[in-house]
Order: sequence, then structure tokens, then C-alpha cells
Amino acid sequence: NAGVTQTPKFRVLKTGQSMTLLCAQDMNHEYMYWYRQDPGMGLRLIHYSVGEGTTAKGEVPDGYNVSRLKKQNFLLGLESAAPSQTSVYFCASSLAGPKSYEQYFGPGTRLTVT
Amino acid sequence: GQQVMQIPQYQHVQEGEDFTTYCNSSTTLSNIQWYKQRPGGHPVFLIQLVKSGEVKKQKRLTFQFGEAKKNSSLHITATQTTDVGTYFCAGHVSTGNTGKLIFGQGTTLQVKP
Repeated sequence: NAGVTQTPKFRVLKTGQSMTLLCAQDMNHEYMYWYRQDPGMGLRLIHYSVGEGTTAKGEVPDGYNVSRLKKQNFLLGLESAAPSQTSVYFCASSLAGPKSYEQYFGPGTRLTVT
Repeated sequence: GQQVMQIPQYQHVQEGEDFTTYCNSSTTLSNIQWYKQRPGGHPVFLIQLVKSGEVKKQKRLTFQFGEAKKNSSLHITATQTTDVGTYFCAGHVSTGNTGKLIFGQGTTLQVKP
């Protein structure tokens, strides 16, 4: 099992460009999450999904969109990148809601917006 | 909003010294999880505490959940260089379950050999 994988690992964007980050998991997990990690701020939830075809906003959703067309994939889109979106992005998945189960994280995507 | 505060932000210790990080929530938590992130790596689950006053041990690591389920701590006895990393607590609030964990800011531990 590969667990949770993320592509790409690194990306540099110019302000105003768009991109999509892909997260895939092979553990048949229902729940998937996108976080961003900035120095001194821990992990902040951007969007999450409790099942195929459903998504919900997290703590910092502005400027991002997501889609969960297939159970194993969770896509994070930036329509018009801004320097404030420079961060490390982590995807995670869990068996059910985090009330009961641990979250498994992917290796992260380091995004720089110039 | 709901917040989970973690202190200290950084801790430098000599190898063999003990280390403790504290986590405090503004609201009652239904459970709390702890994660470790090695430098350049991703968070990895360590443990989950659910019951009021619960104490769990993993070798040199001791985890506690407060009686009021609003605070937690992680204590490492006799630190080793392999303990280096950032430790995060993450709480799930008791009401309005929307499937979200709230992470603390993390405590970064440096261990001098």
C-alpha cells in the first residue's frame, strides 16, 4: 500500500496562475482533508470531504476549491494564486470522522507563489 | 472561534533531559490526538486519548488528558536525538461534530547530543 500520495511535491507559481494539487489514497478511507502548514501556525484545515461527491469548508477555505469525484482522490484547486498562499500543503485521510480514527498524512506539497 | 493553544513553541534540551509540551483548549474536547512531525516530514499519529483523566504511555512518552477534557500534555523522559521534531496536539470538539480536528501550533523539540 502506498498510503496517501500527493502530486506534485514542489511547485512555483506566479501570482494569478492556477493549479491543482492531487491527493490519492489506497486505504479505502471515507474522509479526506486538505491542510496548509505555515511557520508557527500549526496545521489549518482548508476543506474536507466525508465521502465521494461531498465537500465542506474548513478553517481557511478562501481562495481554494476542492472536488471529490472518486473516493480515492481529493483535488485542491487554486484559481488565482496569491503570495499569501505560499505554504506547505498536506492531504490526509481517515477511516471515518476524526472523532474515532487517526489521520494519515501525505508527504506534502511545497508551493511558492511569487 | 474554537482554539487549541500549545506551549512552548520551541524547546531546546540536552540529551537525557526531560521534555513536556502542554495543550489547552477553549472548549471541551471529545478526544485529543497527538502527532509527531520530523524535520522535512509529515505528521504521524502517535496516540488518541478519549476519557477524562486518561493517562497512556508509549515507552518514554507519557500522554495525559485533563479531567475537564480541556487540556492535555505529552512528557518525554530522558530525551534522545531521535525525539527531535515538532509535536502537535489536535482536538475534536464535543459539540457540532463536523468531522474536523483543531490542531495546536506545535512544539518544536531540539535535542543536543
